[in-house]
Amino acid sequence: SQKIEQNSEALNIQEGKTATLTCNYTNYSPAYLQWYRQDPGRGPVFLLLIRENEKEKRKERLKVTFDTTLKQSLFHITASQPADSATYLCAPTSGGSYIPTFGRGTSLIVHP
Amino acid sequence: GAVVSQHPSWVICKSGTSVKIECRSLDFQATTMFWYRQFPKQSLMLMATSNEGSKATYEQGVEKDKFLINHASLTLSTLTVTSAHPEDSSFYICSAMEGGISYNEQFFGPGTRLTVL
Repeated sequence: SQKIEQNSEALNIQEGKTATLTCNYTNYSPAYLQWYRQDPGRGPVFLLLIRENEKEKRKERLKVTFDTTLKQSLFHITASQPADSATYLCAPTSGGSYIPTFGRGTSLIVHP
Repeated sequence: GAVVSQHPSWVICKSGTSVKIECRSLDFQATTMFWYRQFPKQSLMLMATSNEGSKATYEQGVEKDKFLINHASLTLSTLTVTSAHPEDSSFYICSAMEGGISYNEQFFGPGTRLTVL
């Protein structure tokens, strides 16, 4: 069955450092992969989308990589700030189906 | 960006009662809306997909007679939890998709916290 794995343990880092979150998937060939941010008690907010033919995507302090051979996506936040503290969800989406499947998310805590 | 609202943001009800949750796209027409459920520390689980003017498509394991979905207009979808029980307590989130976008970005509502006593 399809499986999406995100580190269930919270990632604690110091302000100013780069946060790196991992998303691994199995039994899946997504056409693209999305990353969302979710704050407690709120709905997800779209951050970035990367297609299967793209290796890397950047948006301001955010960078996403997509390795279809390793079946893995990495999400980086550079120069992290306490306001970046949230849960980050990985959502691979199969071609032909526009409905993403969400991982459990990884909680990021940026300490001042 | 596109805005999706949900009402109410939270609701507490007695077991056996029905609860209606509204999802509105405020500044765009949503051809498709989705309803998700999220339990604490769990991922969002898709419950159903609804297209304006047609019956919703439910995911496996979701009771269509218990979770009634109506998508009567391009800006409004409602989810009614009928005869709610404590195990239905969860965070319900809707999302809306505007037609014509190449990668079909979904815009999520803020969610509705349902507590059934």
